[in-house]
This record gives sequence, structure tokens and C-alpha cells, in this order.
Amino acid sequence: KQEVTQIPAALSVPEGENLVLNCSFTDSAIYNLQWFRQDPGKGLTSLLLIQSSQREQTSGRLNASLDKSSGRSTLYIAASQPGDSATYLCAVRDYGGSQGNLIFGKGTKLSVKP
Amino acid sequence: KAGVTQTPRYLIKTRGQQVTLSCSPISGHRSVSWYQQTPGQGLQFLFEYFSETQRNKGNFPGRFSGRQFSNSRSEMNVSTLELGDSALYLCASSLELEQWTDTQYFGPGTRLTVL
Repeated sequence: KQEVTQIPAALSVPEGENLVLNCSFTDSAIYNLQWFRQDPGKGLTSLLLIQSSQREQTSGRLNASLDKSSGRSTLYIAASQPGDSATYLCAVRDYGGSQGNLIFGKGTKLSVKP
Repeated sequence: KAGVTQTPRYLIKTRGQQVTLSCSPISGHRSVSWYQQTPGQGLQFLFEYFSETQRNKGNFPGRFSGRQFSNSRSEMNVSTLELGDSALYLCASSLELEQWTDTQYFGPGTRLTVL
């Protein structure tokens, strides 16, 4: 059964710092991996989608990598800003037992202090 | 293009009642998925519809059901509500030119409170 874990559960950094959020998954049989952000009480905003054949994707200050063989993905945020404060979720589109299901981690709550 | 819209945004119901939630996907998107988000369990997949057919289903009881219309709009229904059904219900749509490879775009959610 596919499981997605995000560590740490919460992170507080000063403005301007570069940071890395981690995501791991137990089964490498995936279609893709997607990173989202969620602001309190709101829906999810898609940040980056990495297909299983890709190694990384970039959008502005964000860079996401995928190592399918080790079951890991990282989200790199450069020059963090207070507006980046949110909960960041990663999700894998499962190819195995839960075929097609999007399996989410519990998220990392990021706080960027001015 | 307008994003995914969900109605209503907030609902308060009592145990035993039933509820219907609505989702309008981004124009042109053919797949609609539903998720339940709670503080304890996080985000859990409910079901996915594609071309009016349920393509995939999560591990939820039969009280949770859904459907998709020919214009891709979708509804989900929860019958015989329980206190544990209190959650944020999120709908997501995707283009699905190739199955399960596209970005999912989420709506703002419907906050359901069961008293």
C-alpha cells in the first residue's frame, strides 16, 4: 500500500533563507508526483508536477526533484518570503495497488518570519 | 479561464441528514475527483469521474456517492450523515489528455459541519 511521508511536519525560518522540504513514498510505481500549497481554510494550489520519467521541474523560486528509485522528492524554495507561509503537500499518483489514486502526505507547515 | 468552483462553501447539517455538494470543473477538463480533508486523516481520495463514469474509488463507505453530468459538472452525496463526516470536501479537475498524467486543479472546498 502506497504511503507518503513529509518531514518535518512544521518548519520556521527567517525571511530570505533557502529551504528544502522533503517527501518520501514507499512504492516507486507512480505516474507522477505533484507539490501543492494550501493556505489556511482554502483549497490547494498546484505548484509543480513531475512525471515519473522526469528528474526535476522548476517554476520561479521553486525547484522540485524526483528520485523514483529511492522514493524521494524535495521541494527547494529559494530566498523565502513571508508570503510563502503555508502548508506544503506532496502527492503521488499511484501506479500500483491504488492505481490512479492521488495519495497525499500530511504536509509541512512552513512559517517564514519577516 | 475560471477555476474550479464548488457550492456551497459552507454547510451545517445534523446527524442522519443527507447532503449534496456540487463542483464545476475548469472549462474543457474531463476528469473530476473528490477528496475529504480532516485534521486527523489528512487528505483522502473519495472517487474520480471521467466522461460520466466512475473511474476510481477510494476506501469510503457506500454512504458516499457521486455522479458526473455530460457537461463534466459533478455532484457528491453523503447520506445518513455522521459526526465524523465533518470535513473540508475538495473537488479537483484535470484535462486528462493522457490518463492520470495531468495536473490536478483544486477548488476552494465545501466546509461541512455535522452536529
